[in-house]
Amino acid sequence: AQKITQTQPGMFVQEKEAVTLDCTYDTSDQSYGLFWYKQPSSGEMIFLIYQGSYDEQNATEGRYSLNFQKARKSANLVISASQLGDSAMYFCAMRERNSGYALNFGKGTSLLVTP
Amino acid sequence: KAGVTQTPRYLIKTRGQQVTLSCSPISGHRSVSWYQQTPGQGLQFLFEYFSETQRNKGNFPGRFSGRQFSNSRSEMNVSTLELGDSALYLCASSFDTVTNTGELFFGEGSRLTVL
Repeated sequence: AQKITQTQPGMFVQEKEAVTLDCTYDTSDQSYGLFWYKQPSSGEMIFLIYQGSYDEQNATEGRYSLNFQKARKSANLVISASQLGDSAMYFCAMRERNSGYALNFGKGTSLLVTP
Repeated sequence: KAGVTQTPRYLIKTRGQQVTLSCSPISGHRSVSWYQQTPGQGLQFLFEYFSETQRNKGNFPGRFSGRQFSNSRSEMNVSTLELGDSALYLCASSFDTVTNTGELFFGEGSRLTVL
């Protein structure tokens, strides 16, 4: 069964607008971590933001925030004030004890920021 | 501080050959993980090494192997290459993955093409 589901293969957003990238996850662990990574065309995976399962507050890192809804098992990434350089693939990932702490990645969402 | 370095960045092999990829983690990081990225399967965990020991292994055939040296540098080897092994191989380092906090730092990857 898919551990991480990203339902949006591709998204468009206009520069300076906010965009939400969806992510739902499946786990029976009580303790787990959720991550978002950005992958530009160069290939490198760039860490954006982390949310622990016990964190009560939503994580924020600059223009990135994570909308964590534990009961719904969703961890959506919100990018505020989009920039042209935000165009990339975005991956949601989860780390849990059941998977030996390896990262399980979703299929990704391709984001294109237009002028 | 230097990031994760992977060599070579690009390589082309033919079916039946073998290949060795190298990864130098961030200084002080003892955990090195390897991931395979293909358009069809997405990002999949290969294995993780910590202090020269393989601590976790993904669901890949025995043709895929790896090792870690005392300086935490890691190599992965793929023997008897198949066309389906064409992929971007990403290495990631961290202090320790056996926690649910802290991100993995990824290299730019080694792009393998099998002809």
